[in-house]
Order: sequence, then C-alpha cells, then structure tokens
Amino acid sequence: SYELTQPPSVSVSPGQTASITCSGDKLGDKYVCWYQQKPGQSPVLVIYEDRKRPSGIPERFSGSNSGNTATLTISGTQAMDEADYYCQAWDSSVWVFGGGTKLTVL
Amino acid sequence: EVQLVESGGGLVQPGGSLRLSCAASGFTFSDYRMNWVRQAPGKGLEWVSYISSGSESVYYADSVKGRFTISRDNAKNSLFLQMNSLRDEDTAVYFCARETRILTSDAFDIWGQGTVVTVSS
Repeated sequence: SYELTQPPSVSVSPGQTASITCSGDKLGDKYVCWYQQKPGQSPVLVIYEDRKRPSGIPERFSGSNSGNTATLTISGTQAMDEADYYCQAWDSSVWVFGGGTKLTVL
Repeated sequence: EVQLVESGGGLVQPGGSLRLSCAASGFTFSDYRMNWVRQAPGKGLEWVSYISSGSESVYYADSVKGRFTISRDNAKNSLFLQMNSLRDEDTAVYFCARETRILTSDAFDIWGQGTVVTVSS
C-alpha cells in the first residue's frame, strides 16, 4: 500500500520560513493536499493541487511537489501557525494521509 | 452556512456495532463525494471510506474493509457509516469530510466537528 512520510516535528522561529516535507514513491506524479489541524479542532485545507491556496488561506502558505517529495512552506511564520500539518494524496482508489508534522513556533 | 454535523458516537464493547451519521447543510449534498476520516487519540489522520455522489462507487481502507459500510441518503442530505465487529483500535474521533473537485484535482474542503467512538469493555 502507498505510504506518505513526514517528519514528526519541525521547529521555526517567528518570522522565519518553515518547510515541511512529505515523501512518497513518485509523489510528483500525484496531486498533494495539505491540511492544518490545531488542538481540539477539525482539519482545515491549506493547499490543494500541490501549490494552490483556498480562499481565506494567507499568502504565506505555499506548496511544491516534484520527484518523490512535496513541500509545504510557510513564509514569515506566525505564532498562530503552530499546529499539526498533514499531507494527502490519492492512490489506487485510496486516500492516503501522511503521519503528520507538529510545527512548533518558538 | 456550509456545515457537516456528525452524530452517533459513543461507548461500545469490542465486537459491537455502531452507526454514525453526518448531516449536511448549506450546499447541494447530492453533488458531492463524501468521506469518513478518523483520528485515534494522540495520533494522525486516517482515511476510512469514500462514497461517490450517487453511491455508485465506495472504497474502504484495508483496516476496516469487510467490517464498515458507508452509505448516503441524498434525499435527506445525510451520510452514514455502519461499523460492525468493532475493535479496540477503532477508538477514534470520526470526521465526515466533503470532497470537492477544484480545477483538476480533489480535496477535502469541508470537515465536520467529529464524533467520538470508544471501543472498550
């Protein structure tokens, strides 16, 4: 079965750039979504189709996908961005989520 | 307001059954594919099941195949998940999520607040 691998945690200082990776076999051939989940809340879509932002998502969120790795980048990270982030892709009639990355802003 | 509201969670013994519901409002439910996603305590998101807009296609995660059944009633704007032969490892918050085709790809753009299922003796 298809697997997506994310680092368990990433730390970033306020105002700096955070990068969260998601790895999977030939992931660049698939579309990747990213979700943000804060404690006690439901997930929120922040990136779809590798790099596009839904309305209402700040411009500091961006994405890329090539080869075996997709990356979520948060520029000028703010304290409010501290959350868990999950990548997602579709493979062989199954939706697959990455294990999640806890972003700490400190 | 576009909204999904889950219900039906609770405490059930191993081997038991439970039926989850998800009530949709604020959009044309019959136009959208729907999914169930769960999250065990302190763990990540796990996709559970998918159903197409007209129920023609359903898919399941291997972990629930043969035990869970997804269905929908478009006339009542409702999504369901029948869970049988429940195991301890099915303990989780269960979310329903709307799947939307945006441009050329799909994403879960609307999520419910979740309903808690606890499997324990």
